[in-house]
Parts: sequence; C-alpha cells; structure tokens
Amino acid sequence: QVQLQESGPGLVKPSETLSLTCTVSGGSISSYYWSWIRQPAGKGLEWIGRIYTSGSTNYNPSLKSRVTMSVDTSKNQFSLKLSSVTAADTAVYYCARDLGIAAAGPRYYYYGMDVWGQGTTVTVSS
Amino acid sequence: EIVLTQSPATLSLSPGERATLSCRASQSVSSYLAWYQQKPGQAPRLLIYDASNRATGIPARFSGSGSGTDFTLTISSLEPEDFAVYYCQQRSNWQYTFGQGTKLEIK
Repeated sequence: QVQLQESGPGLVKPSETLSLTCTVSGGSISSYYWSWIRQPAGKGLEWIGRIYTSGSTNYNPSLKSRVTMSVDTSKNQFSLKLSSVTAADTAVYYCARDLGIAAAGPRYYYYGMDVWGQGTTVTVSS
Repeated sequence: EIVLTQSPATLSLSPGERATLSCRASQSVSSYLAWYQQKPGQAPRLLIYDASNRATGIPARFSGSGSGTDFTLTISSLEPEDFAVYYCQQRSNWQYTFGQGTKLEIK
C-alpha cells in the first residue's frame, strides 16, 4: 500500500527557508494531487497547499506569498519550501495524498485525503 | 475563505453511547466535505468523504450526513478507540479549510 514519509531539517532559523520533502513508496506519484498540511502543537490543522504531478499548484491564500511546491516524478517525491519563516511556522508538517474531486456516474464526489505521512516536527528558532 | 465551525468543542460521553458532531460552513460547499479522526501523536485518518461515504476500512458505526452548509458525523455506539479529535474539511474553489476540531473524551 502507498506510504508517505516526510524528511527535512527539524530546526530552521527565523527569516530562513523551510524545506521539506515527501517520499511516496508502494505506489506511483503520478496522476494524483499531493497536499501539505501543518499543525502547531496543541492546535488544529492548516492546509498549506497542493500540487498535481503535472506541476500545477493551489496554495492557501494566507501563505501563498511564501510557499513554493514542486514535484519530482522520477524520484517519486514532492517538496515544500516556505520562506521567511517565523516562530509562528513552528508545527508538525504532514504530507498527504489528495484524491480531489472526480466524477462517478452523474455527479462529482470529493474523495478527501486518504493517505498521510507520520508528520515531521519543524521548529523555528535561532 | 470558507470557514468551518465545529460544535461542540468538547464532547464527553461513555462507551456505548451515541456521538453526534456538527460542522457548519460559512457558505455552501455542496457535498464536498470530509471528516478525519486524529489520535494523540498520530496523523489524521480519513473517515468520511463527500459528506456521507465511509472511507475504506472504516467501521459502519461511523456515518456522515448533510449538504450545503450543515453536516453531521455520527458514531452510533462508541468504542474505546473512538475517543479522539475529529476534524471536518471542505474543498471549494481549489481551496481547502479545516474546522477547529471536536475533542471526543471519555466521560
């Protein structure tokens, strides 16, 4: 079955760029959307954005100016960069497979995010 | 941005009881709503997609209903492993938002 694993530095200095990679195993990265979600300690979930394997992206408007996502289908990986980080960006970062919307019969369904990585903690501190 | 408001914030029930969790959207999201369960130290798990469809492997005691702006997640008879935080999430205009969560705790 498909598994996701986040990787990247656990500590980032303020004003620098946070960089994370999600590796997809047990299946192909192709023909899916892939999302990044974060969760500050003790708080709720925040969607950061998503990327399709063609490279098209959708970002959370509140983070859009600082977010860049990319995909490397040859490595079955996709990545997140978040620039100019502050302490407010300290969180557990998750990657997830995003099934999006698809037609089934006469109408469209939203299929949700069905596979998640275990999450990686990123702390922003000097 | 569509805001999802979940209620109650905390629900205290006993095993065997019925749980009803609510999620209200600030504008219509049609049926494009999912529910997730999250246990401490774990990633969220997809329970319900498109408002009322159980994800693969999800027990039948979990059910979802609603459309437009008002949605409900019902757990018919609580098992000990069901005590967790539940989030609703919507998809609209290529944007996603999550509700703030409902914590289901043992009474």
